[in-house]
Amino acid sequence: QKEVEQDPGPLSVPEGAIVSLNCTYSNSAFQYFMWYRQYSRKGPELLMYTYSSGNKEDGRFTAQVDKSSKYISLFIRDSQPSDSATYLCAMSANAGNNRKLIWGLGTSLAVNP
Amino acid sequence: GAGVSQSPSNKVTEKGKDVELRCDPISGHTALYWYRQSLGQGLEFLIYFQGNSAPDKSGLPSDRFSAERTGGSVSTLTIQRTQQEDSAVYLCASSSIGGRGNTQYFGPGTRLTVL
Repeated sequence: QKEVEQDPGPLSVPEGAIVSLNCTYSNSAFQYFMWYRQYSRKGPELLMYTYSSGNKEDGRFTAQVDKSSKYISLFIRDSQPSDSATYLCAMSANAGNNRKLIWGLGTSLAVNP
Repeated sequence: GAGVSQSPSNKVTEKGKDVELRCDPISGHTALYWYRQSLGQGLEFLIYFQGNSAPDKSGLPSDRFSAERTGGSVSTLTIQRTQQEDSAVYLCASSSIGGRGNTQYFGPGTRLTVL
C-alpha cells in the first residue's frame, strides 16, 4: 500500500461545476499538507498549504484536512477551463531538516466550456 | 525574483550517451531536490541536498545516476550510459528553512528522450 493514495482520474466536468479532489494517507505523523497544480509541460506550483487539521479557503479553492480519517480534499468552486490541469497532493511529517514530501500520483482534471 | 530554472528544456539523446541536466534554484534556498516524472507514474524522488549536509541519494535508481551541487547553489544531474527507460521529465525544486512546512518550488523541467 502506498503512503499516499490519489485517484488519477481523469476527471471531466462542465464549466461552473464544483470539483472535489481527494487523497488518503496512512502515516498518522503527517501534519503538513499541500496541493500542487501542474499544467501540461510545466512544473508543479503550490496551490494550497495547510498545517494540521481544518479548512483553508483561498478564492474559489478550499482545502480540508481530516486527520482522524487520514483524508484530505481540495474543492474548486465555479470551475473554469483554466483550472484544467493535474492536481497533486503532497504531505510531510515535519518541517525540520527532513524535508522530503510524500506525493500522490496526481488527478487529471478537465473543465469543459 | 527569479524562480527555479532548468536547462535544457528538452534533450534528445541516443542510447548509451551521457547527459547532464542543470538546475538553478531560487537564491537563498538551501534545499534542492531532483525528481523524475513519467506518464502515469507521478513524481519519483531522486536526490535531496540540504546545505552542507551529505545528500540523500536514496531515490537514485541506479549507479548511472549522480548529482552534484556546487557552492550550495547550482546543481547538475548526470545520467551515464542512458537507456530508453530513462526517458522522462526531470524536475528540480528548491525550498527554504523556515518556509511553510516543506513547500517546494519547482522549475519547468527537462524533457529527456532517449532514442
